[in-house]
Amino acid sequence: SQQGEEDPQALSIQEGENATMNCSYKTSINNLQWYRQNSGRGLVHLILIRSNEREKHSGRLRVTLDTSKKSSSLLITASRAADTASYFCATAAWGNTPLVFGKGTRLSVIA
Amino acid sequence: ETGVTQSPTHLIKTRGQQVTLRCSSQSGHNTVSWYQQALGQGPQFIFQYYREEENGRGNFPPRFSGLQFPNYSSELNVNALELDDSALYLCASSPTKGAEAFFGQGTRLTVV
Repeated sequence: SQQGEEDPQALSIQEGENATMNCSYKTSINNLQWYRQNSGRGLVHLILIRSNEREKHSGRLRVTLDTSKKSSSLLITASRAADTASYFCATAAWGNTPLVFGKGTRLSVIA
Repeated sequence: ETGVTQSPTHLIKTRGQQVTLRCSSQSGHNTVSWYQQALGQGPQFIFQYYREEENGRGNFPPRFSGLQFPNYSSELNVNALELDDSALYLCASSPTKGAEAFFGQGTRLTVV
């Protein structure tokens, strides 16, 4: 079963604009991670935010986490055509449970 | 480059056959997980191995089985293939459970 639900399902923007994707989840987590997938191939890890963190930055990426609302957002600033991909959030709960993925947001950046 | 290699990249099998997919993880990564990703969906957890023992299992039938070897390689075996088994199968390794996962490029399995 899916734990995270990304919103929107699809997003189309112009190059240079910012893209924001949201993720909601249902149960308590240890950390939340964002991944990118190009053309149905392997997933690439983007950023991990722990449950005691509220915001994290990595280059053009900014991730926020609100554990009270069980939600996270991924912001990609100054988007490029190369950012076109599917983006997934994945949650890691406490203990031995594995990463649980949402259905993803398909981002299209138009040059 | 994640350091995780999967083989083969593509595979076509007939319904009822058996298939073995392989994964070579990063050295030192004791945890390996396998995921099934249907078209347009997120990855679904199949099972996880930690130090060569199954450590967790998703909602998949027993005909999905696996092995993890001391040399950080692992296998996913699927018996009695069904058409719905057609998907991208992803292997991911981690240094610890719940940590950042490093994914291979996947094996695209088509069952006809």
